[in-house]
Amino acid sequence: NAGVTQTPKFQVLKTGQSMTLQCAQDMNHEYMSWYRQDPGMGLRLIHYSVGAGITDQGEVPNGYNVSRSTTEDFPLRLLSAAPSQTSVYFCASSPRETREKLFFGSGTQLSVL
Amino acid sequence: DAKTTQPPSMDCAEGRAANLPCNHSTISGNEYVYWYRQIHSQGPQYIIHGLKNNETNEMASLIITEDRKSSTLILPHATLRDTAVYYCIVRGGNDYKLSFGAGTTVTVRA
Repeated sequence: NAGVTQTPKFQVLKTGQSMTLQCAQDMNHEYMSWYRQDPGMGLRLIHYSVGAGITDQGEVPNGYNVSRSTTEDFPLRLLSAAPSQTSVYFCASSPRETREKLFFGSGTQLSVL
Repeated sequence: DAKTTQPPSMDCAEGRAANLPCNHSTISGNEYVYWYRQIHSQGPQYIIHGLKNNETNEMASLIITEDRKSSTLILPHATLRDTAVYYCIVRGGNDYKLSFGAGTTVTVRA
């Protein structure tokens, strides 16, 4: 039982490049979400999903796309990376029964040059 | 969602109780109080939550005032491994979204 798995752990991009941050959970959780954390700050919600085929925007969705084709996977796509997207990205999931108990992945540290 | 106010930092001696305050004066009747913590470089970890009654689990106790405008997270016997940023969050019961503010940086000293 791996929990929430994020890949890669580190990534360096050039401005304008695109990439996908992967997030997978093996706990059959209904809810999944993506957060970003800038240095010295709290986490800000980017996008979330309450089930396969359903996604919605959080506080800071611009520049990011998501999809939820399966219960297990919730990838985050950066369409055209910008230096302002340099951050640590966390994926989280929770089950329907205890939706308040988020399980977080170990994070992806992204640098955009 | 109601806003929360936490002190930016606090120190605690190892083995002593750590009492972390949180103000949420605009909390509404159906909003819960949640506490998470984030140990350096890791993803946040759920600690405890409550609506109006005091709650206790294996990690901590949550004391919510009768008017629900403030709460206190109590770590009964702090250890060095409890050094972390602690987030107090208020959220509606049917809402999936959690908003994390700056939190309180707790340093446990030997």
